[in-house]
Amino acid sequence: AQSVTQLGSHVSVSEGALVLLRCNYSSSVPPYLFWYVQYPNQGLQLLLKYTSAATLVKGINGFEAEFKKSETSFHLTKPSAHMSDAAEYFCAVSYGGSQGNLIFGKGTKLSVKP
Amino acid sequence: NAGVMQNPRHLVRRRGQEARLRCSPMKGHSHVYWYRQLPEEGLKFMVYLQKENIIDESGMPKERFSAEFPKEGPSILRIQQVVRGDSAAYFCASSSTGAMNTEAFFGQGTRLTVV
Repeated sequence: AQSVTQLGSHVSVSEGALVLLRCNYSSSVPPYLFWYVQYPNQGLQLLLKYTSAATLVKGINGFEAEFKKSETSFHLTKPSAHMSDAAEYFCAVSYGGSQGNLIFGKGTKLSVKP
Repeated sequence: NAGVMQNPRHLVRRRGQEARLRCSPMKGHSHVYWYRQLPEEGLKFMVYLQKENIIDESGMPKERFSAEFPKEGPSILRIQQVVRGDSAAYFCASSSTGAMNTEAFFGQGTRLTVV
């Protein structure tokens, strides 16, 4: 069965430090890949998506992610963390069909220390 | 343009009662998706509906759960005879088409607590 693995349920960084949130997917078929952010008691907001165009995808709020087929990875990065980045981040994958039918990882909670 | 609206935001039910969760998609959207988020888990797909039709219900539990998206009005996720294990956040998303290049927008969710 297809799955998404997010390494690290909690990640803590200092303000201004690099943010790296890891995501690996299991598939031999190239998927569509997404990163969402969820603030407390809010819905999910799309950060960025990969749909087989450029392997380096830029999203909102300074985030970007690189699709690496050889590593089946789609890690999320941001060069300099801001306090407002503290939230939970979900990686998701779709293998076709609609963009609303997604397989989500368990999420990574990002804390940003002053 | 209002986003995806879900109500109620919080719902408390006693075991054995029925829970009705409503989702009004964004204006112009005719595709609706329901997800369940259990504590400390990611979202799990439940069902995909397009006006008056269920397109994919592969994630729906076989019993007690049903969903509809009538021609008029919001989409409804109905849980009959709720049990403690139904306690979760239920999210709805909507999109204007079912195509991969069309973004799905999520609502703020309904947090169901079964006591």
